[in-house]
Amino acid sequence: QKEVEQDPGPLSVPEGAIVSLNCTYSNSAFQYFMWYRQYSRKGPELLMYTYSSGNKEDGRFTAQVDKSSKYISLFIRDSQPSDSATYLCAMLADAGGTSYGKLTFGQGTILTVHP
Amino acid sequence: EAQVTQNPRYLITVTGKKLTVTCSQNMNHEYMSWYRQDPGLGLRQIYYSMNVEVTDKGDVPEGYKVSRKEKRNFPLILESPSPNQTSLYFCASSLSAGGGQPQHFGDGTRLSIL
Repeated sequence: QKEVEQDPGPLSVPEGAIVSLNCTYSNSAFQYFMWYRQYSRKGPELLMYTYSSGNKEDGRFTAQVDKSSKYISLFIRDSQPSDSATYLCAMLADAGGTSYGKLTFGQGTILTVHP
Repeated sequence: EAQVTQNPRYLITVTGKKLTVTCSQNMNHEYMSWYRQDPGLGLRQIYYSMNVEVTDKGDVPEGYKVSRKEKRNFPLILESPSPNQTSLYFCASSLSAGGGQPQHFGDGTRLSIL
């Protein structure tokens, strides 16, 4: 079983839709949770960053972490064609863990927002 | 502009011919790392470096070497490339390994080993 599971999609939505992306994980040592966006032929770009459980909002993007369920989500409101990309969840263990500094990624979800 | 720069961006080569992919960051970051990205497998860590002269294996280090002689540079070396190393490679850096520092990625190097 993978440490981080993410539905690869692909996901296709109309412009203006609310998009929900999710990851589950099994390693309880993960404390830092990130969402990266990756456009074609580009490297992953940090989109959202959350420490421990809770919600974080940045413009049209909201990240949620539920550590009790080992479940994280990214919501995109009023989705735009420019949001079309691959979205990767990533997690980082606490500094005292054996996986020092190593990001563990989900497979990535391919999102297409059509006009 | 703060960035992680990888070269080359694309390379097609043959089995057994040594190659080096360079990575340079201009953010004075201590932590640097190499990942490979494969369909269905996502991004997996190859090697990482916590500072100059300090490197260690990640999840998939076989067939790769690294060095960290200067803080800004972290080259990835394939001494004898094989077709199973055909992949998309990313270099990343962060301020430090601890404290949950987010990592910044280069734009990738697509390697094809024939």
